Amino acid sequence: QVQLQQWGAGLLKPSETLSLTCTLYGGSFSGYYWGWIRQAPGKGLEWIGEISYSGSTNNNPSLKNRVTMSLDTSSNQFSLRLSSVTAADTATYYCARMVRGYFDRGYFDYWGQGTLVTVSS
Amino acid sequence: EIVMTQSPATLSVSPGERVTLSCRASQNIDSHLAWYQQKPGQAPRLLIYGANMRATGAPAWLSGSGSGTEFTLTISSLQSEDFALYFCQQYQNWPYTFGQGTKLEIK
Repeated sequence: QVQLQQWGAGLLKPSETLSLTCTLYGGSFSGYYWGWIRQAPGKGLEWIGEISYSGSTNNNPSLKNRVTMSLDTSSNQFSLRLSSVTAADTATYYCARMVRGYFDRGYFDYWGQGTLVTVSS
Repeated sequence: EIVMTQSPATLSVSPGERVTLSCRASQNIDSHLAWYQQKPGQAPRLLIYGANMRATGAPAWLSGSGSGTEFTLTISSLQSEDFALYFCQQYQNWPYTFGQGTKLEIK
């Protein structure tokens, strides 16, 4: 049974870098993309980006060049870094497994439990 | 980017009723649409992909339909566990985008 367990700092100051890690249990990285999605309080879902087993990435242009993702197969972990955070980045962040449904694009079938990240001075 | 619009924002319904949720894409997305259910304090759960394919573990009384720009999620007979927030997501193009959600609440 695939499980994703995520963790990271929950309180940041403006201009700091958000860092989250997600550990995969009960599955393999191979054949899937591994994504990050966030949800501002009381709001909808926003796709941040995704990384493949081979390390190729796709990011949401709305986040400019602030996103860095990495994947470490030896530790079964993948990570997200979002630089120069502001209050607008306050949200619950989810890691998720992406199933390719159309070329290299797809939907998310397994999700982490979510991490609330608050940006406040 | 493709804008996904869900309607209505909130639907008040009684258990046992049949309900249809709508999702509209700002441009053609063929059948590259997924539906998710989210309960308070929980991560979203995949229900439907490919517009009409039920995900593993999704209830049999849920069904999806549509293609192009108009999609629906139908719950044939509302159960207590169905009262939740529902999102649609397109994966035709990057960036993936989600609708703002429809909240099903008990009447």
